[in-house]
Amino acid sequence: ETGVTQSPTHLIKTRGQQVTLRCSSQSGHNTVSWYQQALGQGPQFIFQYYREEENGRGNFPPRFSGLQFPNYSSELNVNALELDDSALYLCASSYRGGNQPQHFGDGTRLSIL
Amino acid sequence: GQQVMQIPQYQHVQEGEDFTTYCNSSTTLSNIQWYKQRPGGHPVFLIQLVKSGEVKKQKRLTFQFGEAKKNSSLHITATQTTDVGTYFCAGLKDTGNQFYFGTGTSLTVIP
Repeated sequence: ETGVTQSPTHLIKTRGQQVTLRCSSQSGHNTVSWYQQALGQGPQFIFQYYREEENGRGNFPPRFSGLQFPNYSSELNVNALELDDSALYLCASSYRGGNQPQHFGDGTRLSIL
Repeated sequence: GQQVMQIPQYQHVQEGEDFTTYCNSSTTLSNIQWYKQRPGGHPVFLIQLVKSGEVKKQKRLTFQFGEAKKNSSLHITATQTTDVGTYFCAGLKDTGNQFYFGTGTSLTVIP
């Protein structure tokens, strides 16, 4: 069973740039959720994708967008990067439904200079 | 604002002592999950509670879901150094599919 993999592991960008983060879900999982975790904080829900459509969104501006592909992998895109976007971005996959455990990847550490 | 709060934020215990973290939600939850995150790692699923008043045990760990489904607790008996990490609760509201993670409790175990 292949776990959740994320790439890249680390990334450094400057203000105003754009970034794309990638996630491959665990085999058999059809739902991907993205979280932002600032240092010393709990993960904050960005959005969730199911069957290639956004299936719920947290309190994040539209410059945070995503995609899910037919193989259930997913991308998180962030435009016009701001200093406060510096964080660990976590991807979690699960089966559809709120009663399912979420399996997290190791995350992408994004630093904005 | 913050939907799910946890206390304490930090806890230092001597190895062998017990540890408890409490999770409180401002609204009723349909279920609650608990995760452990080691330093530099990612959250790892521990357990899920669904029923009002539910109690589940995993070896030295005991999880409870409150009768009103607004609070939960995790109790570790006789802590070990392998218990070090941050423990998060994550609650799902009755509507929607967004999990609200708590603020976390960082546990340090002193050998």
